[in-house]
Amino acid sequence: EVQLVESGGALVQPGRSLTLSCVASGFNFDGFAMHWVRQAPGKGLEWVSGISWNSANMGFAASVKGRFSISRDNAKNSLYLQMSDLRAEDMGIYYCAKISTRFYDSSGYFDSWGQGTLVTVSS
Amino acid sequence: IQMTQSPSSLSASVGDRVTITCRASQSINTYLNWYQQKPGKAPELLIYTTSSLQTGVPSRFSGSGSGTDFTLTISSLQPADFATYYCQQSYRTPYTFGQGTKLQIK
Repeated sequence: EVQLVESGGALVQPGRSLTLSCVASGFNFDGFAMHWVRQAPGKGLEWVSGISWNSANMGFAASVKGRFSISRDNAKNSLYLQMSDLRAEDMGIYYCAKISTRFYDSSGYFDSWGQGTLVTVSS
Repeated sequence: IQMTQSPSSLSASVGDRVTITCRASQSINTYLNWYQQKPGKAPELLIYTTSSLQTGVPSRFSGSGSGTDFTLTISSLQPADFATYYCQQSYRTPYTFGQGTKLQIK
């Protein structure tokens, strides 16, 4: 059974940094690209970032480009999202999602999701 | 690529046939996926690549379309189906989602 467990969500002040983690199990982690998708309170889903199986390729939403970075450690079955210069509009639940392809931009589908971790940005 | 769902909300009864529409701002071939999200839960994949049913999803769910216009149909609503549904294009990054359709009990 595929399991994705996020952690690291917290209450942070605007302008500060935070790192989210996602630990995967139940599948061959280094065979798939991984993504972060977020959901602002009461709102819809927004793709944030994705990374290919070997970390060679990655992409970001325009709203986070230059402030967020994504990485993975295949030896630890772990995915990370490093967030800096956090803003009120970054607030929400961040989901780790497995995609069906090896490359993050290869037209796959999100077939497994974690339970999410909550990021609150407020002074 | 902008994704627009209609309606944004829908009231229906158990046993009803329901159709949700998703329109892309440009052609996305058949790279269209549907997700179901219940309150307080993560989204779950229902249908991928327009019409392929994810393992374990009941056959009352079906999808169709191509190019810019797509539909999700639930043939006979069950109590477990009352949720919010999202379409998502995977034709090109940034991957984008529709705004969601909230399906409520009439």
